[in-house]
Amino acid sequence: DTAVSQTPKYLVTQMGNDKSIKCEQNLGHDTMYWYKQDSKKFLKIMFSYNNKELIINETVPNRFSPKSPDKAHLNLHINSLELGDSAVYFCASSQVHRGVSEAFFGQGTRLTVV
Amino acid sequence: QKEVEQDPGPLSVPEGAIVSLNCTYSNSAFQYFMWYRQYSRKGPELLMYTYSSGNKEDGRFTAQVDKSSKYISLFIRDSQPSDSATYLCAMVLEGAQKLVFGQGTRLTINP
Repeated sequence: DTAVSQTPKYLVTQMGNDKSIKCEQNLGHDTMYWYKQDSKKFLKIMFSYNNKELIINETVPNRFSPKSPDKAHLNLHINSLELGDSAVYFCASSQVHRGVSEAFFGQGTRLTVV
Repeated sequence: QKEVEQDPGPLSVPEGAIVSLNCTYSNSAFQYFMWYRQYSRKGPELLMYTYSSGNKEDGRFTAQVDKSSKYISLFIRDSQPSDSATYLCAMVLEGAQKLVFGQGTRLTINP
């Protein structure tokens, strides 16, 4: 059973389109995250939700909008896609009482904007 | 200056060698220190974590934290080709929810 699963795994789309990435975790964790990994492998946090509540919102363009329908799901919607949005997006989850010392990551969604 | 600095490599060593991977950081308030391993086209997976200063050993892996120098290390003994991956250090402030990552070091173990 996959602990943190993301769909789709690959996404190729044209500039200006709107797309969504879905994430689900079956670990029973309270906190979920979206991270972005650029072409140089640098991983940076975008958002964090705890029990469906947004707790971290880094400096991310407002074209990116996360949504958490329940604590097991965290989706990422991106409007008006730009070339610079091309990256690998990782979903992760962790238990609140342990901080983030045991964050589990999904396989990633490789987004290519053409 | 990035909060966490890590030499991106690439680093290539022969099988059986001892590997040393390092990160430096600027924020002395970091309390949790982690090492993640990321295989090509996969998500990062947690290898080890330590709280505050000290050493921690797990099999062939040893993590060291020197808070006075703001320096952390991961040692891999008897390295294997299956250890070939990108290794990312990460750190967290006490009570915070976000991981701050280094850039990752790409490691290749040659048979």
